[in-house]
Amino acid sequence: GDSVTQMEGPVTLSEEAFLTINCTYTATGYPSLFWYVQYPGEGLQLLLKATKADDKGSNKGFEATYRKETTSFHLEKGSVQVSDSAVYFCARLGSFNFGNEKLTFGTGTRLTIIP
Amino acid sequence: GAVVSQHPSRVICKSGTSVKIECRSLDFQATTMFWYRQFPKQSLMLMATSNEGSKATYEQGVEKDKFLINHASLTLSTLTVTSAHPEDSSFYICSATRAGNSYEQYFGPGTRLTVT
Repeated sequence: GDSVTQMEGPVTLSEEAFLTINCTYTATGYPSLFWYVQYPGEGLQLLLKATKADDKGSNKGFEATYRKETTSFHLEKGSVQVSDSAVYFCARLGSFNFGNEKLTFGTGTRLTIIP
Repeated sequence: GAVVSQHPSRVICKSGTSVKIECRSLDFQATTMFWYRQFPKQSLMLMATSNEGSKATYEQGVEKDKFLINHASLTLSTLTVTSAHPEDSSFYICSATRAGNSYEQYFGPGTRLTVT
């Protein structure tokens, strides 16, 4: 079935460090891929997305490229800030249900940035 | 645009009682709404999918009679946890998609349920 494997955390970095959070997905069809961010006590916010191979999603300095050959969608940011501390979820779309696709989430990666 | 609200944000109830959580799309019509459950430090688990005017489709292992979902209008879905027990304590999150854009879900801020 559909699955997403995400780098386990927690991840702790110093401010201005480079961030990579790995994410791979099962290669069933050509799913849309997403990164969501969850701040403490809140719901999920869409961070970025890519809908086809070689697409690069970007937002707030974060980037992820849809790599079909490696079935990956790794999240990167060149210089993290304390405000980036949150839990990050990789997700793929798949498994039609009522004509609407269900999201499958990775396990989440907790990121803590220290000043 | 595409704002989803949930009410209440936090609720505490006694064991054996029922509690209703509302999910509303504020500025769009939601053709489909999803209900998720999230345990501490874990990922989201899809509980059910509902379309307006239709019965919800529950994921395997989710008790239909315990988690009642009603999607009465294009802007409102409710989740009722019946005869709640402490093990039902969790963070419940809803999401919604809009017509013509089924691949993007907009998430509510979540409801923290504590059953004592």
